[in-house]
Amino acid sequence: RKEVEQDPGPFNVPEGATVAFNCTYSNSASQSFFWYRQDCRKEPKLLMSVYSSGNEDGRFTAQLNRASQYISLLIRDSKLSDSATYLCVVKRGRRALTFGSGTRLQVQP
Amino acid sequence: EPEVTQTPSHQVTQMGQEVILRCVPISNHLYFYWYRQILGQKVEFLVSFYNNEISEKSEIFDDQFSVERPDGSNFTLKIRSTKLEDSAMYFCASSEERADTGELFFGEGSRLTVL
Repeated sequence: RKEVEQDPGPFNVPEGATVAFNCTYSNSASQSFFWYRQDCRKEPKLLMSVYSSGNEDGRFTAQLNRASQYISLLIRDSKLSDSATYLCVVKRGRRALTFGSGTRLQVQP
Repeated sequence: EPEVTQTPSHQVTQMGQEVILRCVPISNHLYFYWYRQILGQKVEFLVSFYNNEISEKSEIFDDQFSVERPDGSNFTLKIRSTKLEDSAMYFCASSEERADTGELFFGEGSRLTVL
């Protein structure tokens, strides 16, 4: 079983739509969780950390359910510039980050 | 804004040749990483480096790979005898000592094409 699993998409949504991505992780010892964004043929960049209490950054909301080993990202009022691949990332202790394969989002005018 | 820089941006090499990919991490960062991404696939961890030694490596990082910090600024990845399957984008990343925030700063990558 993959350590981090994501629906590859693509998710094609119109501008202004709300879209949600999900991710599951297999190792219950995972301690830290993140969403990264990767534009086509570019490097990954941290979008936001994910906390059990849920956290919000502008139009982006991330949630973590440790019991179900499930992470989500909600994007409200989608912009054309949100088109990218969204990478679910987990970390165990001092170990390096483990990336999911990513979910591709295409926001259409 | 400080950034991680990588050279070359693209290298084409023949199978069996040695390749060195170079990285200049952010100057006050202490943890350094190499990741790779085969076209269309996920970002995969290769190796992490701290205090002049490897702190963690994946099963991908076999004897063909080595890393070095030859001076105070550069961090290199060497592939001794390249194979076709080594063709990928190689990302260098760095982080501050307390990496629990999960924020790695990635360079723009070095694309390696093995023919």
